[in-house]
Amino acid sequence: AQSVTQPDIHITVSEGASLELRCNYSYGATPYLFWYVQSPGQGLQLLLKYFSGDTLVQGIKGFEAEFKRSQSSFNLRKPSVHWSDAAEYFCAVGAGGSQGNLIFGKGTKLSVKP
Amino acid sequence: DAGVIQSPRHEVTEMGQEVTLRCKPISGHDYLFWYRQTMMRGLELLIYFNNNVPIDDSGMPEDRFSAKMPNASFSTLKIQPSEPRDSAVYFCASSWLPGSTDTQYFGPGTRLTVL
Repeated sequence: AQSVTQPDIHITVSEGASLELRCNYSYGATPYLFWYVQSPGQGLQLLLKYFSGDTLVQGIKGFEAEFKRSQSSFNLRKPSVHWSDAAEYFCAVGAGGSQGNLIFGKGTKLSVKP
Repeated sequence: DAGVIQSPRHEVTEMGQEVTLRCKPISGHDYLFWYRQTMMRGLELLIYFNNNVPIDDSGMPEDRFSAKMPNASFSTLKIQPSEPRDSAVYFCASSWLPGSTDTQYFGPGTRLTVL
């Protein structure tokens, strides 16, 4: 069965600083990997996803993530954080095929200092 | 498209009452998901449908919870009787392809408070 671990519950960075949010997954085959963002009082929105091919994936809002099979990781990065990036970020893994569901991590809350 | 629509956005009820949450998925999406989000347990999948048929309801906490999808454009999640521990934000999401491979589009959620 798949599982996802986001080791950091809460991260605070200064505006303009770089950001890396960690995600580790457990799955025997090649997983389908996703990052979603949830702004306060809102539903989740897809930032980016990885299925195959280039292991560096570009997403919306200037985010990128890198799939590292050897480390079972899919970390999310942004070179320069904006105050509007303050939100909660969820990593998710799917088994693919006809399976309908994703497994979500517990989330990492990002605070941005002015 | 208006996105996934959920109603009500907020619901406050008393223990023992019946609660019905509603969802309208994005037109053309074949998969519909119901999630529950709490501080303690995070985001949990309760049930999902494919072409209006429940496929996996293993996440439904107990018999007090039931979900239906009578047609492609409407689904309900019912709690009867409600208990204070059911207080949470309930999200509906939909996708065109299987949710483990495709983008899921989330509604704004229903914040349920059971007193």
